[in-house]
Amino acid sequence: AQKVTQAQTEISVVEKEDVTLDCVYETRDTTYYLFWYKQPPSGELVFLIRRNSFDEQNEISGRYSWNFQKSTSSFNFTITASQVVDSAVYFCALRKAAGNKLTFGGGTRVLVKP
Amino acid sequence: GAGVSQSPSNKVTEKGKDVELRCDPISGHTALYWYRQSLGQGLEFLIYFQGNSAPDKSGLPSDRFSAERTGGSVSTLTIQRTQQEDSAVYLCASSRRVAGTTDTQYFGPGTRLTVL
Repeated sequence: AQKVTQAQTEISVVEKEDVTLDCVYETRDTTYYLFWYKQPPSGELVFLIRRNSFDEQNEISGRYSWNFQKSTSSFNFTITASQVVDSAVYFCALRKAAGNKLTFGGGTRVLVKP
Repeated sequence: GAGVSQSPSNKVTEKGKDVELRCDPISGHTALYWYRQSLGQGLEFLIYFQGNSAPDKSGLPSDRFSAERTGGSVSTLTIQRTQQEDSAVYLCASSRRVAGTTDTQYFGPGTRLTVL
């Protein structure tokens, strides 16, 4: 069975601080995909990134960066110089390569205060 | 282009009534998914449609839940004899599922269902 754990339920920071969201996953599959989604107060899940299990390169997109470490089954997400608009719930998710459904973590609520 | 749309955005119903929730996927997306988001259970997979294949219903919580997809596009999720524990946000997603490649699911805004 697959499992995704986001141990941090809520993180509060002051604007311009960096914030790192932890994601640890469990799977017996050798090929899989990892995702991060953002859910702002409006409620819609917004896709941020997809990562293949065979590609451990870290990725940076603007103020967002991701650190994938297969050895520790972790796919952590960092927001640099946070802004109020980053306030949202962030979900990490896992999908088998040949599967259909996403298995989500419990989400981490990020509050960025001005 | 247009994203995934869902209707209604909010639905309040009385226990025991049936409800229908609608999802319009992104044009050209062959795969459609339903998920449920509730406080106690987080985000859970319900059902998956891909083209003309038989749907993957493995996530449906009971036989009161059913879904159909007409013409490979619009989908309706039906909950019969609603119970208070059915109160949740029902999210629909679609993806361009092409054999041999991976895909990304894009989500709609959800329908918030409240069962009184």
